[in-house]
Amino acid sequence: EAQVTQNPRYLITVTGKKLTVTCSQNMNHEYMSWYRQDPGLGLRQIYYSMNVEVTDKGDVPEGYKVSRKEKRNFPLILESPSPNQTSLYFCASSFTRGRGNTGELFFGEGSRLTVL
Amino acid sequence: DQQVKQNSPSLSVQEGRISILNCDYTNSMFDYFLWYKKYPAEGPTFLISISSIKDKNEDGRFTVFLNKSAKHLSLHIVPSQPGDSAVYFCAASLDSNYQLIWGAGTKLIIKP
Repeated sequence: EAQVTQNPRYLITVTGKKLTVTCSQNMNHEYMSWYRQDPGLGLRQIYYSMNVEVTDKGDVPEGYKVSRKEKRNFPLILESPSPNQTSLYFCASSFTRGRGNTGELFFGEGSRLTVL
Repeated sequence: DQQVKQNSPSLSVQEGRISILNCDYTNSMFDYFLWYKKYPAEGPTFLISISSIKDKNEDGRFTVFLNKSAKHLSLHIVPSQPGDSAVYFCAASLDSNYQLIWGAGTKLIIKP
């Protein structure tokens, strides 16, 4: 089954304790991205990756890091989480536009993070 | 500055009637517009898209209309069904950088 898998789905942590949210896709997509969803703000892009070893900042990258060492995995790292990073996080993937794709993204089920 | 706006946070429609969700944008360079649907505790799923060179795209009960002069697009759902109750996001794409710009979403409630 084609899917994007995120872990953990739910996490409560404390300020300053490093954490990683994993994301894996099995569709051989080149493009992967992380979003956060906050009430009234829709989806805001944190980081994205056009392919292996190629990453770039989105709209709200502060406080986050990513890496893309393999095509299928795109972990999101919070080195020193703060309460303003409490949010619902989504990982998404897609083929790149060069393959005739119009931008249709496949999303994971989300990871709800609470930073106390 | 929000480039994609969904001005209605919520919309309530009777089952069987037409649901119309609206989206406005400011950047005339957007080349694709997409609608995503999101249920609680799930990730968004792609619903329908339209190229900027078209003014209408239809897929079953879902039709998207694009009015470039007004920088406005709308999603029509006919007839509305209880399973359509969800949050609908409008998104726009720029060919130059492949990024999606998202609206804040509209929560659609279908009343029985």
